[in-house]
Amino acid sequence: GAGVSQSPSNKVTEKGKDVELRCDPISGHTALYWYRQRLGQGLEFLIYFQGNSAPDKSGLPSDRFSAERTGESVSTLTIQRTQQEDSAVYLCASSLSGGGNQPQHFGDGTRLSIL
Amino acid sequence: GEDVEQSLFLSVREGDSSVINCTYTDSSSTYLYWYKQEPGAGLQLLTYIFSNMDMKQDQRLTVLLNKKDKHLSLRIADTQTGDSAIYFCADLYSGGYNKLIFGAGTRLAVHP
Repeated sequence: GAGVSQSPSNKVTEKGKDVELRCDPISGHTALYWYRQRLGQGLEFLIYFQGNSAPDKSGLPSDRFSAERTGESVSTLTIQRTQQEDSAVYLCASSLSGGGNQPQHFGDGTRLSIL
Repeated sequence: GEDVEQSLFLSVREGDSSVINCTYTDSSSTYLYWYKQEPGAGLQLLTYIFSNMDMKQDQRLTVLLNKKDKHLSLRIADTQTGDSAIYFCADLYSGGYNKLIFGAGTRLAVHP
């Protein structure tokens, strides 16, 4: 597709369940990023992939959060044993490469609600 | 850690200019970005500026960068109702790995 695609667009689940969020970056983009946006706030960085490797996982809030990327394309963000504080919009972005002159382009996000 | 600050709300009349301000703390910042977010949508890249520039113009948008004061502004000329959205300033973190540090966003309301 032309842009970054994320699925599902909305996810409602019960506390304690695991969730998987998916991101399809723009074709040919080697860099992929996950961010979290809590209600009324800016975006918090979670993780960065260059190819299939994640040189920076510093933003993952806890060991319940993990992410992987395969085929230098699709990425999944997994949250285990979800808690109410995990409720947020999870945004994925991609860029052509990792350089600053290659801006990050964002998907529409997955709105996650934990009951 | 590094920080980005923005005022939370701006109200302007249709046809006037809007100026959204941002300050940042990263003294080694190289790139700074402006994104627009409409309700229920992701972030749309509006423009960005390299730190060796002090101004960049793109149609109705003008970005001014004062690197000494670590101050960035976005001016929207002839503001329209379609410009109503949240505007985010973001700094490309100089500590590496292309992490963007975002402000909390400025909500722009355009009224007739």
